[in-house]
Amino acid sequence: DTGVSQDPRHKITKRGQNVTFRCDPISEHNRLYWYRQTLGQGPEFLTYFQNEAQLEKSRLLSDRFSAERPKGSFSTLEIQRTEQGDSAMYLCASSTTGPTNEKLFFGSGTQLSVL
Amino acid sequence: LAKTTQPISMDSYEGQEVNITCSHNNIATNDYITWYQQFPSQGPRFIIQGYKTKVTNEVASLFIPADRKSSTLSLPRVSLSDTAVYYCLVGGTPGAGSYQLTFGKGTKLSVIP
Repeated sequence: DTGVSQDPRHKITKRGQNVTFRCDPISEHNRLYWYRQTLGQGPEFLTYFQNEAQLEKSRLLSDRFSAERPKGSFSTLEIQRTEQGDSAMYLCASSTTGPTNEKLFFGSGTQLSVL
Repeated sequence: LAKTTQPISMDSYEGQEVNITCSHNNIATNDYITWYQQFPSQGPRFIIQGYKTKVTNEVASLFIPADRKSSTLSLPRVSLSDTAVYYCLVGGTPGAGSYQLTFGKGTKLSVIP
């Protein structure tokens, strides 16, 4: 399968702990996005990479959140000192540049539960 | 950023055609219209994208009137497996990042046997 892969699928942690999620995009895609989704809401943009450069971050993104994409391949999203409000589905998507408007390919997400 | 408005929910019987309309009154000249489908516990999946008039693929059709202030996603002969949330997104200048795309709450389609 050459789709977007996310790991782990589920994560349960205690408040105050740090968590890290991984996203492996489609290999030829140079753009990578992180979104967060809570129950009943649409996905909310968090951050965006083109190759290894992080070009955009949501103003809503707390400084407890950090994302990396070393070498422009896989990406990690780390949440430090987790809070119960961080409980959500974290989605990764990738796409590629082109002459027409792009379309996003999403992974199945990581469901985070903070107790 | 163009804001979109779509119904919160819709019900349909199996085998019927379903039309979901999205309003985007302040769409910009370069904006495309894209629809995604999302099943529970999965990420959204691209369905169809268009700029004007009509676009059709193996899954759906997208109708866009001349003023582009709305669009209609048409799903022919829905089945139970089409029960999902459908998102209408507007934006994304060609070649630019899709971070400009905002997902609203979407339309929850329930297909009834």
